[in-house]
Amino acid sequence: GAVVSQHPSWVICKSGTSVKIECRSLDFQATTMFWYRQFPKQSLMLMATSNEGSKATYEQGVEKDKFLINHASLTLSTLTVTSAHPEDSSFYICSAHSGYTYEQYFGPGTRLTVT
Amino acid sequence: AQSVTQLDSQVPVFEEAPVELRCNYSSSVSVYLFWYVQYPNQGLQLLLKYLSGSTLVESINGFEAEFNKSQTSFHLRKPSVHISDTAEYFCAVSEASGGSNYKLTFGKGTLLTVNP
Repeated sequence: GAVVSQHPSWVICKSGTSVKIECRSLDFQATTMFWYRQFPKQSLMLMATSNEGSKATYEQGVEKDKFLINHASLTLSTLTVTSAHPEDSSFYICSAHSGYTYEQYFGPGTRLTVT
Repeated sequence: AQSVTQLDSQVPVFEEAPVELRCNYSSSVSVYLFWYVQYPNQGLQLLLKYLSGSTLVESINGFEAEFNKSQTSFHLRKPSVHISDTAEYFCAVSEASGGSNYKLTFGKGTLLTVNP
């Protein structure tokens, strides 16, 4: 099956710094990628839809200036958490949509801890 | 817009017992339906999906789900569970027409705990 990787798998950063998370589709091209946030014991909350070559579409309530998304190629999307605060600590998961199978393939997630 | 309801937040069962995880959805358009499984500190893995055709879909590890359009349901079943099936299960839908870029709407999840 299709594989999506995320890097890093976990990161600890200090409050006020920025952190970049990469999401790659390893064996297929993904026009559309999605970024989710998951709090402990809760469902996934969609943050934004990332389309290659265009601006991301953010869900209501998600600060686009704080969570910068770049989808520069058909296999790579990045999420940058700018000026991170402790409340940004969470599990961030990306997924890539396949136009052949109509499935979303999920990355393994990135655990962000802001101290 | 779509919504997904997973009625049970937790389902404890004994090993080798049957289990059903319930999922109901609401949508004004045709949908694709999915069940995903998540193990602790991991991403989601697709368990099975319904796009079209036979309303009964099966996974390779013994799970099955049946799409019931009249009841707007997509319940997940397994006749005999194993300890290794302990995980969080999410039901999800997307617009079949590709609206919203096939964005998924998730239910809140059901924690299946299989006890020896």
